[in-house]
Amino acid sequence: SAVISQKPSRDICQRGTSLTIQCQVDSQVTMMFWYRQQPGQSLTLIATANQGSEATYESGFVIDKFPISRPNLTFSTLTVSNMSPEDSSIYLCSATGGHYGYTFGSGTRLTVV
Amino acid sequence: DAKTTQPTSMDCAEGRAANLPCNHSTISGNEYVYWYRQIHSQGPQYIIHGLKNNETNEMASLIITEDRKSSTLILPHATLRDTAVYYCIVRLPQGDEKLVFGKGTKLTVNP
Repeated sequence: SAVISQKPSRDICQRGTSLTIQCQVDSQVTMMFWYRQQPGQSLTLIATANQGSEATYESGFVIDKFPISRPNLTFSTLTVSNMSPEDSSIYLCSATGGHYGYTFGSGTRLTVV
Repeated sequence: DAKTTQPTSMDCAEGRAANLPCNHSTISGNEYVYWYRQIHSQGPQYIIHGLKNNETNEMASLIITEDRKSSTLILPHATLRDTAVYYCIVRLPQGDEKLVFGKGTKLTVNP
């Protein structure tokens, strides 16, 4: 299955700033996804990162807040914009593994102060 | 919304079998049951999946009832490293099908 490198692994950011998280896959994959995991909670899907077109966002998530890029089949970025303390979470990317499921990055632990 | 129901937490003694149940009464005929786990501070890890037959791999066994409305993940000899949150997910096998996580079961393996 694919191996995902995600960075940064953690960051502490000032409110009102933006952070871009990078996700690199070691092989070409069809689908990539971005998740948020708030403290003590399960994973919530933010959006599907589509190669060559705009991302598909889930209910409650908007492009202005979480712009996503997917320039090719191995790379994607998620930006958390105009951050507030409520954005403090773990952000994870995942890539399709086809029939056998998905692979996940190790996550980015974001703290907004 | 997640299509599965799992107990919030379970405990298991080290070396004993851990049996994690999952209810998925609305599963459709072509949906598979997938299990993932998330060890603290890591991304979720694929464990096993099945359609209607029992499955076994090097990590676990999956028992699916005949009516497919429930399943059980079995870790035959739990170790302390198996302490994690275990997620049961129902999905189609297509590669573009997104994963929707429920709340999962927090399994604690005790020495």
